[in-house]
Amino acid sequence: EVQLVESGGDLVKPGGSLRLSCAASGFTFSTYGMNWVRQAPGKGLEWVSYTPSSASYTHHADSVKGRFTISRDNAKKSLYLQMNSLRAEDTAVYYCARDLGIKVGTITLDSWGQGTLVTVSS
Amino acid sequence: SYVLTQPPSLSVAPGQTARVTCGGSNVGSKSVRWYQQKPGQAPVLVVYDDNDRPSGIPERFSGSNSGNTATLTISRVEAGDEADYYCQVWDSSSDHVVFGGGTKLTVL
Repeated sequence: EVQLVESGGDLVKPGGSLRLSCAASGFTFSTYGMNWVRQAPGKGLEWVSYTPSSASYTHHADSVKGRFTISRDNAKKSLYLQMNSLRAEDTAVYYCARDLGIKVGTITLDSWGQGTLVTVSS
Repeated sequence: SYVLTQPPSLSVAPGQTARVTCGGSNVGSKSVRWYQQKPGQAPVLVVYDDNDRPSGIPERFSGSNSGNTATLTISRVEAGDEADYYCQVWDSSSDHVVFGGGTKLTVL
C-alpha cells in the first residue's frame, strides 16, 4: 500500500523558515516524480513544487519561487520542502503527492499524504 | 499564466446526473485530471487523461474534454459523492501544475 506521511508543520513567525518532510513507503520511491501541493484554510488546492525521480531539475510556483526549495533523498525515500522568508499567505495544509508518471509532459497526482499544517503568524 | 475556471457550486438530487465543468483556453488540447476532496480529507484522483479511472473509482465517474471545456460527469449521484471537485492540467508553457478553483457538489 502506498503511504505518504508529511511532518514538520508548525507555527512560525513571518520571515521565518521551516522544513517539511514526507516519508514514502509501499512503492519504489526513486522511480516517481513528487510534488508539494498546499491548501489555505477554506480555499482551493494550489500546486507548490515538483521534482522528477532523478531530482535533475525542479519546478516551483511563481508564488514561492526564490523562497521555497523542493528536494528529495531517494536512499531515505523522503521528500522535502525548505521554506524560507515565510509570509502569512503561506499558511496552509501542505500535502506531498506522487506523480503517476503515465505520460511525459503531464502530471497526475495519484497518491496523497494527509498533510501537515503550516501557520505563519506573529 | 494558464487559468482553469470552475463554477463554485452545484446541487443535484440523488439518482440524477451531475456535470462539473472546467473552462480553459483550448483546454481540449490538454490532458485533464479530476480530484475529489471530502471535508477533512486529502484529495483523491477520480479521472485522469480526460476519461480514464484509477482502480477503485466507480464507473459512474467519467470525463470528457473538447474545445474550451472539460467536464466531469457523475451518474446516479449518491449522498457519498458530496465533495469538492477540482480539475487539473499541466501547463507546458510555464512548467506549472494548474488547478481549477474547485466546485462544491451538494447532494440534495
